[in-house]
Amino acid sequence: DIQMTQSPSSLSASVGDRVTLTCRASQYISTYLNWYQQKPGKAPNLLVYAASSLQSGVPSRFSGSGSGTDFTLTISSLQPEDFATYYCEQSYTTPRTFGPGTKVDFK
Amino acid sequence: QVQLQESGPGLVRPSETLSLTCTVSGGSISSYYWSWIRQPPGKGLEWIGYMHHSGSFSYNPSLRGRVTIAVATSKNQVSLIVNSVTAADTAVYYCASQTSAAGSTDDWGQGTLVTVSS
Repeated sequence: DIQMTQSPSSLSASVGDRVTLTCRASQYISTYLNWYQQKPGKAPNLLVYAASSLQSGVPSRFSGSGSGTDFTLTISSLQPEDFATYYCEQSYTTPRTFGPGTKVDFK
Repeated sequence: QVQLQESGPGLVRPSETLSLTCTVSGGSISSYYWSWIRQPPGKGLEWIGYMHHSGSFSYNPSLRGRVTIAVATSKNQVSLIVNSVTAADTAVYYCASQTSAAGSTDDWGQGTLVTVSS
């Protein structure tokens, strides 16, 4: 299986901060990398697919980049509704695997 | 965008069978790959598998052959069966859709908590 790691595991930030989350795959996955946001008690919500494509309806402050094994999700100006846990997922091969998540909370 | 609603028992006895149904609305069940993903309380996400109405499927080997996903096109439903459950199968189970086998998981149901306990 492809192992996905995320860093940091948690971070504290303030409204307006620029936040960068990192995801790394244990082997090459091209750009088959997706990012999801999950709030407590809710299902995950797709933010970015294919490493850098913004899902329809997702605010433009979110952006994704990377290819191969290293990927980032950037939130250009953190908003109150962005405090959540973020997961990356590889869809290059089955079994699909998720990273352990990065929790973004209030500083 | 499709709407997904999971349903099924919230409590299952150890060694018995977990059975869930996902009802699909707002789109053709034939147009998507249908996945199940689970999340133990307080933990991360685990992909269980997917099925396409054509018969194309893939399951997570970690579930050791205990899983079956089926698509009932006439009923607009997707089902999940997990046999011989243990406490480790306690989780919120999500039904979800993809437009291709390697695509992102675009739409998710709200999830249903299944507890395995005697």
